[in-house]
Amino acid sequence: NAGVMQNPRHLVRRRGQEARLRCSPMKGHSHVYWYRQLPEEGLKFMVYLQKENIIDESGMPKERFSAEFPKEGPSILRIQQVVRGDSAAYFCASSPNSGLVPGEQYFGPGTRLTVT
Amino acid sequence: DAKTTQPNSMESNEEEPVHLPCNHSTISGTDYIHWYRQLPSQGPEYVIHGLTSNVNNRMASLAIAEDRKSSTLILHRATLRDAAVYYCILRNPLQVIQGAQKLVFGQGTRLTINP
Repeated sequence: NAGVMQNPRHLVRRRGQEARLRCSPMKGHSHVYWYRQLPEEGLKFMVYLQKENIIDESGMPKERFSAEFPKEGPSILRIQQVVRGDSAAYFCASSPNSGLVPGEQYFGPGTRLTVT
Repeated sequence: DAKTTQPNSMESNEEEPVHLPCNHSTISGTDYIHWYRQLPSQGPEYVIHGLTSNVNNRMASLAIAEDRKSSTLILHRATLRDAAVYYCILRNPLQVIQGAQKLVFGQGTRLTINP
């Protein structure tokens, strides 16, 4: 049973370009979360999605960032017109359900974005 | 979100037990206590969680104080592979109902294991 997959693992973009980060959740999981870890800082929640719906985007920057989780295919985190401050590790996590007991989230290996 | 307080760092020796403390004095009656860890250059991984009773699994044990204002993650026999940042996180089912399932990570405790 493959875990959460993220690609690419490393991404280099020049200022002003677009970055697309992909996340394939674990099989059978319909909930996806994106977190960002800036250098020497802690992990910060960005967005929580279910298939075709954004449930909680309270951690998403207001501009340039968007996320989707289509009916078919991976979840995509898109960063337009990247700036040096976007350089970070971006982690995706998935979970199987939203039962009343908060369950564990399974994290991918992350995409390390470097903006030059 | 209820706040947790952990020491910034701890050090232990290989094959010895490690007790990682977490204070959560403002915990509500419905908050679950979760622990995650992040090994170097990897994504976080779930370790254990509990509500009131002590919990054991293959990775660790979780000891919860009777008043629930603190808890301790216990690694019974540390290995070099246990060197990581350990996060204590409170999660509330009421927030799950409201659709907020995010994990709120603090700074965690950086655990160093000496060979």
